[in-house]
Amino acid sequence: DGGITQSPKYLFRKEGQNVTLSCEQNLNHDAMYWYRQDPGQGLRLIYYSQIVNDFQKGDIAEGYSVSREKKESFPLTVTSAQKNPTAFYLCASSIKEGGDTEAFFGQGTRLTVV
Amino acid sequence: GNSVTQMEGPVTLSEEAFLTINCTYTATGYPSLFWYVQYPGEGLQLLLKATKADDKGSNKGFEATYRKETTSFHLEKGSVQVSDSAVYFCALTSNTGGFKTIFGAGTRLFVKA
Repeated sequence: DGGITQSPKYLFRKEGQNVTLSCEQNLNHDAMYWYRQDPGQGLRLIYYSQIVNDFQKGDIAEGYSVSREKKESFPLTVTSAQKNPTAFYLCASSIKEGGDTEAFFGQGTRLTVV
Repeated sequence: GNSVTQMEGPVTLSEEAFLTINCTYTATGYPSLFWYVQYPGEGLQLLLKATKADDKGSNKGFEATYRKETTSFHLEKGSVQVSDSAVYFCALTSNTGGFKTIFGAGTRLFVKA
């Protein structure tokens, strides 16, 4: 089955550590996105990528980094510079950037700083 | 810039009640409009979409009409069920916004049996 897979589902991080969230898709989509969702809040765009080896900052990129070495993979690293990383992180992909095509979402990763 | 505003929740209804969740947008160009639904602990799923003025999107008993004159895309359902309890997000993409998807803040719906 085609889809988008995020792992792990739950992640705990100690303060000062970097952690990497995985996002893989087998939909052959060009565009991929990372969003952050805080309790009772909407989605805020962290980074997005239209094509392999290219990515753009979203609205809240500080303290995060990404790579897009393969079309199917778009991992997100939450660095120690991110002061408030506890949140629900959602990865999405679409067949092309925006337009009238829908975004497909993963099941999310809940990151907690302990 | 482009933006989406939707009514604050939570919205609490009894089963079989009529549902309206208001959504208005600001965008230049010709945006496409979407409603997504998020069930507890999960990602978002597309519920319906409309790509041009006066289009009506519909799915699972939900519908929304793209109203350019009022810049609105209100979500409606004639008879809600307990299983419709979720968070609903209105969203848009626009060629003038770099095609990024802009989401509203979400509206939580509780349906009581």
